[in-house]
Amino acid sequence: ETGVTQSPTHLIKTRGQQVTLRCSSQSGHNTVSWYQQALGQGPQFIFQYYREEENGRGNFPPRFSGLQFPNYSSELNVNALELDDSALYLCASTFLQGMDVTGELFFGEGSRLTVL
Amino acid sequence: GDSVTQMEGPVTLSEEAFLTINCTYTATGYPSLFWYVQYPGEGLQLLLKATKADDKGSNKGFEATYRKETTSFHLEKGSVQVSDSAVYFCALSPIKAAGNKLTFGGGTRVLVKP
Repeated sequence: ETGVTQSPTHLIKTRGQQVTLRCSSQSGHNTVSWYQQALGQGPQFIFQYYREEENGRGNFPPRFSGLQFPNYSSELNVNALELDDSALYLCASTFLQGMDVTGELFFGEGSRLTVL
Repeated sequence: GDSVTQMEGPVTLSEEAFLTINCTYTATGYPSLFWYVQYPGEGLQLLLKATKADDKGSNKGFEATYRKETTSFHLEKGSVQVSDSAVYFCALSPIKAAGNKLTFGGGTRVLVKP
């Protein structure tokens, strides 16, 4: 069973640029969530995708956007990068059925973004 | 909105010592509660969970009890090992929400010395 994989593991961008981060969900999972973890802090929920549609969003501006593909992999796009976007971006997958909210989230190791 | 507060670290212990990490939450209704652990160089892993009041989650010698009256979910282990050195995150998931939007605490770094 393949776990959640993310790419790239590290990247450096400059302010104003755009970035795309990728995530392959664990086999059998249909839902992908993205979290931002600033240094020394807990992860913050960005959004979740279920059946290729956004299914819940945290307090992040519209320049944070995402996609989920038919194979349940996902992308996180961030436009007009700001210095404060420097963080570890975590992808997590799970299998959701109906309104079950107790399913375990499986996290990838993250993509560390540095904005200069 | 929902929030989770946990004790700040780092917590430094000797092997076989007793570990407690305090966690309190603010949420409407009856959320599900979780402890996640992040070992060095690895992704977040679910350690244990509890989905209703008075439930006790347990795993790998760790325990936490869902206390609605004190809105707490403190993590305990009776005898820690060096391999327990990690960052521990308390989190909640709101009930009746589509999906698993987790609200995390700030994390507590634990260092166990031989």
